[in-house]
Amino acid sequence: KQEVTQIPAALSVPEGENLVLNCSFTDSAIYNLQWFRQDPGKGLTSLLLIQSSQREQTSGRLNASLDKSSGRSTLYIAASQPGDSATYLCAVGAGSARQLTFGSGTQLTVLP
Amino acid sequence: KAGVTQTPRYLIKTRGQQVTLSCSPISGHRSVSWYQQTPGQGLQFLFEYFSETQRNKGNFPGRFSGRQFSNSRSEMNVSTLELGDSALYLCASSLQGYTEAFFGQGTRLTVV
Repeated sequence: KQEVTQIPAALSVPEGENLVLNCSFTDSAIYNLQWFRQDPGKGLTSLLLIQSSQREQTSGRLNASLDKSSGRSTLYIAASQPGDSATYLCAVGAGSARQLTFGSGTQLTVLP
Repeated sequence: KAGVTQTPRYLIKTRGQQVTLSCSPISGHRSVSWYQQTPGQGLQFLFEYFSETQRNKGNFPGRFSGRQFSNSRSEMNVSTLELGDSALYLCASSLQGYTEAFFGQGTRLTVV
């Protein structure tokens, strides 16, 4: 059974700092990994999708990497801003189940 | 183009009642998945539909059911509501199920 872990559970940084969020998964037979952002009480916003054949994806100040062999992904946020404050979730798609397995998220607070 | 639309946004129901939630996917997307999000369990997969067929079901009791219509819109139904069913119910659409998932804003269900 696929398990996804995100560390740390919460992170507080001053504005302008670069930061890394971590995601690990137990079964490396994945077809993709997706990073999401969730604001309180809201739905999930897709940030980046990495296919299993890719090593990284970039969008603006965000960069996500994937190392299938070690079961790890990182989300790098450059020059953080208060508007980046949210919960960040990673989810892996694996097997024939066509479902995403989510980590418990990292709650990020960027202090002005 | 329009995103994933979930209705209603908020619901308050009494124990023992039943409820139906609706999800309209992004135009052209044929896969619709449902997830339950609670503070204690995080995001858990309920089921996935593709071309009106349920392809996969999560580990939830039979009180949770769903269907998909020919226009890809989906509904989920929960019968005999319990207090523990209080949660944010999220719908995701994707082209085929293995591709990028886009989520709606969710339906907040409170059972009293």
